[in-house]
Amino acid sequence: EADIYQTPRYLVIGTGKKITLECSQTMGHDKMYWYQQDPGMELHLIHYSYGVNSTEKGDLSSESTVSRIRTEHFPLTLESARPSHTSQYLCASSENRGRTQYFGPGTRLLVL
Amino acid sequence: AQSVTQPDIHITVSEGASLELRCNYSYGATPYLFWYVQSPGQGLQLLLKYFSGDTLVQGIKGFEAEFKRSQSSFNLRKPSVHWSDAAEYFCAGHNTDKLIFGTGTRLQVFP
Repeated sequence: EADIYQTPRYLVIGTGKKITLECSQTMGHDKMYWYQQDPGMELHLIHYSYGVNSTEKGDLSSESTVSRIRTEHFPLTLESARPSHTSQYLCASSENRGRTQYFGPGTRLLVL
Repeated sequence: AQSVTQPDIHITVSEGASLELRCNYSYGATPYLFWYVQSPGQGLQLLLKYFSGDTLVQGIKGFEAEFKRSQSSFNLRKPSVHWSDAAEYFCAGHNTDKLIFGTGTRLQVFP
């Protein structure tokens, strides 16, 4: 099992603010992912990375951006938060040749 | 297109009763299939996975799943449900470095 950490766990913020959701893993996994999940709904992949300096957009269009400067770190940034960004954001990672994804506890974002 | 379908949105069972959550997949080749569980406000925890070999897969917390190619199914089972099993359950399939998730089944357990 991977150790995946996400901070903050909960965030309430006003419209127009810039936010960064942190995700880090300690297992040296090359692949990392961000999912967006509305309450009671399915998960949608919004970003993923194969390794350092690699970032790709997922299946669901998102106004957020990501970076991968270090293997263990995959932060997600919203330059100007809006109420439509209110959701739960889940981070995951997997080994380079692995298919199993391990998930962090998630960040619940509320934009007022 | 490859897809994963969970036909049941919500299932209610009594504590101690048996449980089966349905999952159907649409894949051309041998699929890699997973079941995850999500408690309210939490991330996803891996219950079990099927890659190849024995079609009956044992997981954590007393869960098992059976891969049936003829029925394109990967149903999750537990012989006796505990109140702590109440959660959202997601079936997923692996496709070119991505997981495709079903819409989830919410399990409610009555005492």
